Amino acid sequence: AQKITQTQPGMFVQEKEAVTLDCTYDTSDPSYGLFWYKQPSSGEMIFLIYQGSYDQQNATEGRYSLNFQKARKSANLVISASQLGDSAMYFCAMREGLNQAGTALIFGKGTTLSVSS
Amino acid sequence: EPEVTQTPSHQVTQMGQEVILRCVPISNHLYFYWYRQILGQKVEFLVSFYNNEISEKSEIFDDQFSVERPDGSNFTLKIRSTKLEDSAMYFCATLSGDGGSPLHFGNGTRLTVT
Repeated sequence: AQKITQTQPGMFVQEKEAVTLDCTYDTSDPSYGLFWYKQPSSGEMIFLIYQGSYDQQNATEGRYSLNFQKARKSANLVISASQLGDSAMYFCAMREGLNQAGTALIFGKGTTLSVSS
Repeated sequence: EPEVTQTPSHQVTQMGQEVILRCVPISNHLYFYWYRQILGQKVEFLVSFYNNEISEKSEIFDDQFSVERPDGSNFTLKIRSTKLEDSAMYFCATLSGDGGSPLHFGNGTRLTVT
């Protein structure tokens, strides 16, 4: 079974609009972390935002926020006021067993975001 | 800001040859990872490494692959007898140890097997 599911292969948004990228996850581990990474066409992996399973508040980092709904096992990324430079592939990822050493970060298949002017 | 450094940025090799991909982790990071991304596809976990031992590995990481930290600084991925399907971007990533910290990725090595 997929641990991380991103159901939107591609999303299109206009500049200055907000966009939500969906992510659902599957785990029975009570201690886990959810991460979003951005991969522009140049290929590097850029960390955006993190949400821990025990965090009470939704994470925010500038224009990025994470809509964490634990009961539904979803961790959607919200980008406010989209910019042309936001056009990239976005990956949702999860690490289980945060109190253990070296556990794997498992990625979803990604969503390609295209921002137009 | 400290970076994970990977060399080479691009490697072309013939099928059947051995390649070694190199990574210099961020200096105070304790956990090291290799990932693979076939062009345009998902980022796949290969192996994690801590305290000079493999912590976890995926089913992709078979006997063709090995990792080591030969000199206390470089972290290497060796691929023996390369196949066409090994062509991919290989990312090294490191983690400081704090469970909620993100993995820091290098810029990757693009491996092309001809």
